[in-house]
Amino acid sequence: KNQVEQSPQSLIILEGKNCTLQCNYTVSPFSNLRWYKQDTGRGPVSLTIMTFSENTKSNGRYTATLDADTKQSSLHITASQLSDSASYICVVSRRNAGNMLTFGGGTRLMVKP
Amino acid sequence: SQTIHQWPATLVQPVGSPLSLECTVEGTSNPNLYWYRQAAGRGLQLLFYSVGIGQISSEVPQNLSASRPQDRQFILSSKKLLLSDSGFYLCAWLDPSYTRDTQYFGPGTRLTVL
Repeated sequence: KNQVEQSPQSLIILEGKNCTLQCNYTVSPFSNLRWYKQDTGRGPVSLTIMTFSENTKSNGRYTATLDADTKQSSLHITASQLSDSASYICVVSRRNAGNMLTFGGGTRLMVKP
Repeated sequence: SQTIHQWPATLVQPVGSPLSLECTVEGTSNPNLYWYRQAAGRGLQLLFYSVGIGQISSEVPQNLSASRPQDRQFILSSKKLLLSDSGFYLCAWLDPSYTRDTQYFGPGTRLTVL
């Protein structure tokens, strides 16, 4: 079964600290993996996208890693800011599946001052 | 540049009433279009997708329906709303000619069924 599992479900950190969010998937055949940021009451916004051959991708203070062998990805946030408070969603695309995406349940991050 | 619009932004409807949510995309042609629902604190669930005018695929059985009357317009409807239809509805588009196939999401519609 094609699934995407994220951990932790929720996380509280202090402003300025780093954190790492995890994503494990069983989607096959794999095409690419994205991390989205979703602010409360808004649509998700893409942060990074990685294909099979890419094992790291950065977008400002966000760095995503991908291990296609173990089917794991992580999103590392450096020097967190209050505006980083949001849900972070891991999304995996299946090859030859009409651009269908499998969504993880998300990690809800709260950054406190 | 491309933009995606959804309206209304919020909606409160009684059980048994009809529903019509609209999504339009600007700045692109022949996009794939998607309707998702997100229950409170949950992940996104794909409801419908469309690869062209009049072409609708349903992912889950439900009392909702979708239509695509124009290339860049996607409508989500219901004849009679259920309490379980409450949620955050997101429309998304994708350029199928672009290999990176990122879906871009609209601002969403929050539906409360009372």
